[in-house]
Amino acid sequence: EVQLVESGGGLVQPGGSLRLSCAASGFTFGSYAMSWVRQAPGKGLEWVSSISASGGNTYYPDSVKGRFTISRDNSKNTLYLQMNSLRADDTAVYYCGRGRRDPPAEYCGQGTLVTVSS
Amino acid sequence: DIQMTQSPSSLSASVGDRVTITCRASQSISRNYLNWYQQKPGKAPKVLIYAASSLQSGVPSRFSGSGSETDFTLTISSLQPEDFATYYCQQTYSTPFTFGGGTKVEIK
Repeated sequence: EVQLVESGGGLVQPGGSLRLSCAASGFTFGSYAMSWVRQAPGKGLEWVSSISASGGNTYYPDSVKGRFTISRDNSKNTLYLQMNSLRADDTAVYYCGRGRRDPPAEYCGQGTLVTVSS
Repeated sequence: DIQMTQSPSSLSASVGDRVTITCRASQSISRNYLNWYQQKPGKAPKVLIYAASSLQSGVPSRFSGSGSETDFTLTISSLQPEDFATYYCQQTYSTPFTFGGGTKVEIK
């Protein structure tokens, strides 16, 4: 059974940093691209980042490019999202997912809440 | 960026009803990269349909998808109590991968 467990969220001040982790199990982690998506309170879904299976290719929307960095450690079956220069509009629940494009990402964790506020 | 526009934004329906949700892309996309997700409150989104019409493993056959180029449709043939949720389309044709605004399906 595929399991994805997100962690690392919390309250951070504007301009601060946070690193999210996603521990994966139940599948061969190093064979899959991975993604992050987020959902602001009461809002819809927004794709945040994706990374290839090897980690050699990364993808971001303009809203986070230059501030967020996705990475992975295939030896630890763990996906990361380093978030810098956080803004109030980064406040959201962040979900990690297995996959990227074709097939699309499958999200099955509980998510981790990031709150950016002073 | 490709904009995805869903309609309606919400609907009320009864158990057993046939429900149709539409998704329009701002430019033509390959049907291979149009996906539908279901999300229940407090839960992660779940893939229902990928490549416009392929049913994700484990998803009931009452869900179906169709469409091509810019116009896509998700149909629930006979709405069940567990189907009350919010539905999102997403294109993964080109980055940034964009979602529609969502369609909330509520009980009538």
